[in-house]
Amino acid sequence: GNSVTQMEGPVTLSEEAFLTINCTYTATGYPSLFWYVQYPGEGLQLLLKATKADDKGSNKGFEATYRKETTSFHLEKGSVQVSDSAVYFCALSSHTGGFKTIFGAGTRLFVKA
Amino acid sequence: GAVVSQHPSWVICKSGTSVKIECRSLDFQATTMFWYRQFPKQSLMLMATSNEGSKATYEQGVEKDKFLINHASLTLSTLTVTSAHPEDSSFYICSARDPQGSGGTQYFGPGTRLTVL
Repeated sequence: GNSVTQMEGPVTLSEEAFLTINCTYTATGYPSLFWYVQYPGEGLQLLLKATKADDKGSNKGFEATYRKETTSFHLEKGSVQVSDSAVYFCALSSHTGGFKTIFGAGTRLFVKA
Repeated sequence: GAVVSQHPSWVICKSGTSVKIECRSLDFQATTMFWYRQFPKQSLMLMATSNEGSKATYEQGVEKDKFLINHASLTLSTLTVTSAHPEDSSFYICSARDPQGSGGTQYFGPGTRLTVL
């Protein structure tokens, strides 16, 4: 079945550091890929998405590129801020999977001032 | 962007009572909604898929008689936790798929925190 694997956290960075959170997936067909962010005590917010190979999703300085050859969708940001501290979930959804969203385990990011 | 609301945002109830949680798509019609639960510091686990006008499809291991789902209209799905017990305490999140959106994009509600005493 479909699955998502993302790097374990927590990840602790200093402000303005470069961020990478790795995400790989297993899926049949051509899934859409997503990154969601969850701030403490809140629900999920869609951060960015990509619907086909080589697409790059971007939002608020975050980027991720859909790499079919490596089945990856790594999240990157060039300079993190304290306000980026949150839990980040990589996820996929596919037509063949009934559009169920399959989530990775989540990676907690702490950014220190 | 599309908005999904949930009500209530939090609820505290006594063991043995039933609790209903509503999920509404506010500016689009959602033929399919999904219900997830999230334990502290864990990921979201899909509980069931709710299709308008038909029975919900439950994931393996989810008790359908305990978690009753009704999708009576294109903008409303409800989850009722029957005879709730402390182990049902969790964060419940719904999502709605916009059929007009691309790539199966779903919009998530803000979640409902259930505490069973």
